[in-house]
Amino acid sequence: QKEVEQNSGPLSVPEGAIASLNCTYSDRVSQSFFWYRQYSGKSPELIMSIYSNGDKEDGRFTAQLNKASQYVSLLIRDSQPSDSATFLCAVMGSGNTGKLIFGQGTTLQVKP
Amino acid sequence: DGGITQSPKYLFRKEGQNVTLSCEQNLNHDAMYWYRQDPGQGLRLIYYSQIVNDFQKGDIAEGYSVSREKKESFPLTVTSAQKNPTAFYLCAASGLLTGELFFGEGSRLTVL
Repeated sequence: QKEVEQNSGPLSVPEGAIASLNCTYSDRVSQSFFWYRQYSGKSPELIMSIYSNGDKEDGRFTAQLNKASQYVSLLIRDSQPSDSATFLCAVMGSGNTGKLIFGQGTTLQVKP
Repeated sequence: DGGITQSPKYLFRKEGQNVTLSCEQNLNHDAMYWYRQDPGQGLRLIYYSQIVNDFQKGDIAEGYSVSREKKESFPLTVTSAQKNPTAFYLCAASGLLTGELFFGEGSRLTVL
């Protein structure tokens, strides 16, 4: 079992719709969770971090965390073609090293 | 500008040659990391360093070496022992234990 799993996609949504990206992780003691956006050929960019169960909103982005189910998700409201990218879920490993374990990423395509 | 600078952006290497990728940061972050990304894959950790003059192997350290002589600098050497070095290499930095990684623009290495 992979430590951090994401559906590679592509996930295709029409412009203006809500895109829902999902991620599961295997280490129950993980406490810190992150979403990165990566445009083709570019480096990842941090868009959300979440540490507590529940929802965290930032503009059009909402991160949701459920530690009991070992599940973290990212919702993008009013999706725009400029949101088309790969979204990487990352989980901080145990042991207080600061190391992040990344999923393989979900490719999002927003169609005009 | 504050950030992480990687050089070169593109590098071509002949088989059997060692190459060194540069990573410099002016964010004053303690921790620095090297990740490798292959097409359609997530990021895999090569080496990381939480403090000057100390570093640890990540998940795929074989065929790579690093040094951390200054807080600002964390160069990565890809040695001839690395059997499949063609990849996108990403350097990142974070404040200790936050997990919020900030990435450089990456170095794309191609072995001819």
